[in-house]
Amino acid sequence: GAGVSQSPRYKVAKRGQDVALRCDPISGHVSLFWYQQALGQGPEFLTYFQNEAQLDKSGLPSDRFFAERPEGSVSTLKIQRTQQEDSAVYLCASSLEGLAQPQHFGDGTRLSIL
Amino acid sequence: QQQVKQSPQSLIVQKGGISIINCAYENTAFDYFPWYQQFPGKGPALLIAIRPDVSEKKEGRFTISFNKSAKQFSLHIMDSQPGDSATYFCAARGDYGQNFVFGPGTRLSVLP
Repeated sequence: GAGVSQSPRYKVAKRGQDVALRCDPISGHVSLFWYQQALGQGPEFLTYFQNEAQLDKSGLPSDRFFAERPEGSVSTLKIQRTQQEDSAVYLCASSLEGLAQPQHFGDGTRLSIL
Repeated sequence: QQQVKQSPQSLIVQKGGISIINCAYENTAFDYFPWYQQFPGKGPALLIAIRPDVSEKKEGRFTISFNKSAKQFSLHIMDSQPGDSATYFCAARGDYGQNFVFGPGTRLSVLP
């Protein structure tokens, strides 16, 4: 089946605008994760869903960041009043339920804030 | 606070040589250690993973060596090929949580 799909692949926004990034996980994957990857760095955890429940949002850098997964499938990461430091690649990953399951990553959305 | 340290930052290897990347961690609650390979413009792809109850795991040309007492683990790529040129990330996950903590990455270049 298809892998994790993210859209858009690229997003350019002016500082202060709101943006929404979409993630379609692998069908049947219960767990969904969002990561932020700055240029030349490893991914950093933002938030985690199990089905529709957001179980961990400890990595969200500020209250301008909001994520949802209302039906336990597609997820949206929203960033309000964007700042230049929000420029990064935002990665989504999904996995089957359980601690031993590997995470499968999408190719990310590259966000550039002007 | 960097919970997973990774070295070297970059690595150049001749075709056919052995590439070795090292990682160290501090949190003894970590119990799952994957390695990811990332090509430019792509998401990280799982390469190989290990749990601390074994000291070595081999899959094809890729081997993880794990030293629980030293809290260190390493990736060995045997017979390195130009197609292996990518950025490699080690990661760790604790039993209490689901998210991974990633190292800063190693940029590997394999010369033809």
